[in-house]
Amino acid sequence: KAGVTQTPRYLIKTRGQQVTLSCSPISGHRSVSWYQQTPGQGLQFLFEYFSETQRNKGNFPGRFSGRQFSNSRSEMNVSTLELGDSALYLCASSVGRGGEQYFGPGTRLTVT
Amino acid sequence: EDQVTQSPEALRLQEGESSSLNCSYTVSGLRGLFWYRQDPGKGPEFLFTLYSAGEEKEKERLKATLTKKESFLHITAPKPEDSATYLCAVQASGGTASKLTFGTGTRLQVTL
Repeated sequence: KAGVTQTPRYLIKTRGQQVTLSCSPISGHRSVSWYQQTPGQGLQFLFEYFSETQRNKGNFPGRFSGRQFSNSRSEMNVSTLELGDSALYLCASSVGRGGEQYFGPGTRLTVT
Repeated sequence: EDQVTQSPEALRLQEGESSSLNCSYTVSGLRGLFWYRQDPGKGPEFLFTLYSAGEEKEKERLKATLTKKESFLHITAPKPEDSATYLCAVQASGGTASKLTFGTGTRLQVTL
């Protein structure tokens, strides 16, 4: 079974731009969660989507948004990028809400 | 607010030298406690889920245990390939079902 895939793997953007990251979950998984990982803060929960609806949201500004499609694939968008948004963005999928989450390789975003 | 504290931050072992990693947690109601392994530049790899105090799980040289306040990851006779960052996370019961709250991890280095 293929694992969670994320594209692109690396991105370099400048301040003020926006970016869209993509995540394809494991086949049959309906829940997709997004996390931000930085050296200072570790892994922080961004939001979760289940059945195309955002079910849970972490403490991030409104510049961070996402969506889920009918095939469970998910995208997250960050608008008006700031230097502090430089991080590894991880997507995780699970069969349902709760339980084990399986992570993708992440997208490394660098904001200059 | 859910909290996870891992210790030590870093651990250096010689091959064959067994040790334990600690994960202390505070959560309103524990749905599950998860252990992940993360290699540099990669997403976390799922290891174990523990649901109730007294539960134990084993996989090769790793054994995870759970009490009402903490979890231990015991590494028996480690090998250099066990070198990685080990992350502990909790999932609370209730409305935030999918959210994982992570500790900052223990960086393990195993030398010959």
